[in-house]
Amino acid sequence: AQTVTQSQPEMSVQEAETVTLSCTYDTSENNYYLFWYKQPPSRQMILVIRQEAYKQQNATENRFSVNFQKAAKSFSLKISDSQLGDTAMYFCAFMSEVNDMRFGAGTRLTVKP
Amino acid sequence: NAGVTQTPKFQVLKTGQSMTLQCAQDMNHEYMSWYRQDPGMGLRLIHYSVGAGITDQGEVPNGYNVSRSTTEDFPLRLLSAAPSQTSVYFCASSYSSGSPLHFGNGTRLTVT
Repeated sequence: AQTVTQSQPEMSVQEAETVTLSCTYDTSENNYYLFWYKQPPSRQMILVIRQEAYKQQNATENRFSVNFQKAAKSFSLKISDSQLGDTAMYFCAFMSEVNDMRFGAGTRLTVKP
Repeated sequence: NAGVTQTPKFQVLKTGQSMTLQCAQDMNHEYMSWYRQDPGMGLRLIHYSVGAGITDQGEVPNGYNVSRSTTEDFPLRLLSAAPSQTSVYFCASSYSSGSPLHFGNGTRLTVT
């Protein structure tokens, strides 16, 4: 079974600075998908970014970008120009081709003014 | 669009009671799933379905049953609630293989 590891339970960053959240995963599959989800205190799960494993180009969404290293099975999330509204739990997730999505334990990010 | 709708939002049960958490989606998604979220453990997959009439077990299926009689609905049944089932439950759906999951707003369940 696939496993997803987020080794940073908590992180903090000053407003307007850049922060990187780490994620590693373990799989024997060649085709899969990776995601980052954000969960603010409202409990809602919000998609941040998606990466297809067969694409070498790193995905970007405005201030959010990933560093996808397939050989190392690493999928980190970089948040640039951090804003107070970025304060949330962030979950890394792995999805196989049968849509079986597995999540990491999460990183609690606090953006300080 | 309503998206994924979960009911109820909160529920308190006594040990041994049974109940059903409802989940409905109006996006014609084939794939639906149930997760539980516990502190420090992220979201763990309970059961999932790739289409009407098809269900399969996830990581933590014990104590839960599901059925998928229609594309829209995917209820989760607790047959005999236990304190270990105290958690926040999320239902999710997606359009196709590799598509992001759309989540409901969650149900906070407490079993005393």
